[in-house]
Amino acid sequence: NAGVTQTPKFQVLKTGQSMTLQCAQDMNHEYMSWYRQDPGMGLRLIHYSVGAGITDQGEVPNGYNVSRSTTEDFPLRLLSAAPSQTSVYFCASSPAGWGYGYTFGSGTRLTVV
Amino acid sequence: QQQVKQSPQSLIVQKGGISIINCAYENTAFDYFPWYQQFPGKGPALLIAIRPDVSEKKEGRFTISFNKSAKQFSLHIMDSQPGDSATYFCAATGGGSNYKLTFGKGTLLTVNP
Repeated sequence: NAGVTQTPKFQVLKTGQSMTLQCAQDMNHEYMSWYRQDPGMGLRLIHYSVGAGITDQGEVPNGYNVSRSTTEDFPLRLLSAAPSQTSVYFCASSPAGWGYGYTFGSGTRLTVV
Repeated sequence: QQQVKQSPQSLIVQKGGISIINCAYENTAFDYFPWYQQFPGKGPALLIAIRPDVSEKKEGRFTISFNKSAKQFSLHIMDSQPGDSATYFCAATGGGSNYKLTFGKGTLLTVNP
């Protein structure tokens, strides 16, 4: 049981490049989310999904795109990387319903130069 | 608008002491309040959580105290150990949006030996 797997662990991009951060979970969780973590800012929600085919925006969605074609996978796409997107990105998943905690992946550290 | 305010930003405690971290929320629809623990280079991990119909929940050395009328909740770590040194985040969700966690900005706890 791997839990939530994120790849890559580290990435350096040049401004304007695009890339996809991968996230996969093997717990059959309905809910999945992407957060970014910046010093002194806590964790801020980028996008979330309540099931396959259903996604919505969180607090800081600009510059990011998501899709959820399967229950297991929830990739995050950076459309045109900017230095402001330098951050640590966490994917998380949870069963549907009330009172369940989210399980987080180990994160992707992204630097945009 | 910051919906969950966490304090202090950092905390230094001696081994064996009590660590106390406080959070206040604004949204009265929140009905699930988890705490997450994060070690350097790792994703946050669920530590303990509480519902608003109880005033306290204890799991080992970790206790959540909840004051619904004041819209505040706190984490107490008894007999703090150097291994407890980590960043702690409070969070809240609910009101029909239990798939979206709102996090505090975090508290860096250092327990000196």
